[in-house]
Amino acid sequence: DAKTTQPTSMDCAEGRAANLPCNHSTISGNEYVYWYRQIHSQGPQYIIHGLKNNETNEMASLIITEDRKSSTLILPHATLRDTAVYYCIVRVPYSGGSNYKLTFGKGTLLTVNP
Amino acid sequence: EAGVAQSPRYKIIEKRQSVAFWCNPISGHATLYWYQQILGQGPKLLIQFQNNGVVDDSQLPKDRFSAERLKGVDSTLKIQPAKLEDSAVYLCASRAWGSLAEKLFFGSGTQLSVL
Repeated sequence: DAKTTQPTSMDCAEGRAANLPCNHSTISGNEYVYWYRQIHSQGPQYIIHGLKNNETNEMASLIITEDRKSSTLILPHATLRDTAVYYCIVRVPYSGGSNYKLTFGKGTLLTVNP
Repeated sequence: EAGVAQSPRYKIIEKRQSVAFWCNPISGHATLYWYQQILGQGPKLLIQFQNNGVVDDSQLPKDRFSAERLKGVDSTLKIQPAKLEDSAVYLCASRAWGSLAEKLFFGSGTQLSVL
């Protein structure tokens, strides 16, 4: 399975952009990059995903490098409620079907400070 | 739309006892996952169902853990007998079927303490 590397923790000031990096140098051509986050005492929450192109939704933007070996999740205006563990995951398909596997690492603890 | 429901929210048992967790996925979601999350770690996949069939149970400790999804809707995860190292949050997640089903929806989990 492709593995990801993320910093253990990061800080961000409220109202500023939070840029969370992720390395996935062994990613294969058909494997998507997913981001989830987990707020304390809750289950993980989907944020965004992408394959090659940059993606944006109401929560965040995902920037994937051209060689696809790394990506950055951007929260444009971080709030205190964005304090959470952010997981970068490479989605690995099971052979012969449309199911896939999400393997979580330890993620990055983002702390948004007032 | 209603989310993934799990119960109980908390459970405390002694080692060697048995315990069961229940999960009701989002209506119509064909794929169901059970994850184990030990404190300080990311969730670890235990088992994945597609309807009532098992897709992946390679990381399920089958000597003590069992899971079923008999009618392809709700699911139960059982531990018998429990060990101290089973103390964790057990998360259930579900996903709709098809190429548009790009994300998992997680429940709030069951926090298990084994004493």
